[in-house]
Amino acid sequence: QVQLVESGGGVVQPGGSLRLSCAASGLTFPSYGMHWVRQAPGKGLEWVAVISAAGGTQYYEDSVKGRFTISRDNSQNTLYLQMDSLRVEDTAIYYCTKEGAVSGINKYFFDHWGQGTLVSVSS
Amino acid sequence: EIVLTQSPATLSLSPGERVTLSCRASQSINTYLAWYQQRPGQAPRVLIYDASNRATGIPARFSGSGSGTDFTLTISSLEPEDFAVYYCQHRNEWPPGATFGQGTKLENK
Repeated sequence: QVQLVESGGGVVQPGGSLRLSCAASGLTFPSYGMHWVRQAPGKGLEWVAVISAAGGTQYYEDSVKGRFTISRDNSQNTLYLQMDSLRVEDTAIYYCTKEGAVSGINKYFFDHWGQGTLVSVSS
Repeated sequence: EIVLTQSPATLSLSPGERVTLSCRASQSINTYLAWYQQRPGQAPRVLIYDASNRATGIPARFSGSGSGTDFTLTISSLEPEDFAVYYCQHRNEWPPGATFGQGTKLENK
């Protein structure tokens, strides 16, 4: 079955950097767009970034543009999120999630999620 | 930018009751709407996609309806495991970003 396993979270000071990874298995990874979604403590879900199946297109939520970079290695079935210039308000659980597909047609929802990795930005 | 507004923020109900949750979009989104359930300490899981299609493995007591700007998620008879937070979500082909509603929390009365 599909598994998405995030890693790389931790505690970092404001202005610091972290690189999150998401290892995917049980799916044809190069066939799907992939996203990062975050959830601040006690808050709702917030979409962060997307990368197309082949990796050629990336798109970001406004508050992370210019600071975060989404990338993927389709040969290693791995998704990444490079987070620079981190702010206190970036503190959250970060989930990687896969675009859904039905009968081979990509759809506009997320059908599998990892368990998340916690990023804490604090001085 | 499309905004999704969910109501109510919190509902207190008992097992066996029927519940309807609402999600309203700031402009028409056709049927490009999904619903998710998130239990405490867990990742979200998809319940409904394309407004009314149940995802794989989702019990028949969950149903979705709506199009355009007004959508509902109905749980026909609440089970103890259904007390959780529910989110609606939309995304387009372009721009490819996604939007979530702020969530509705179902509490056990």
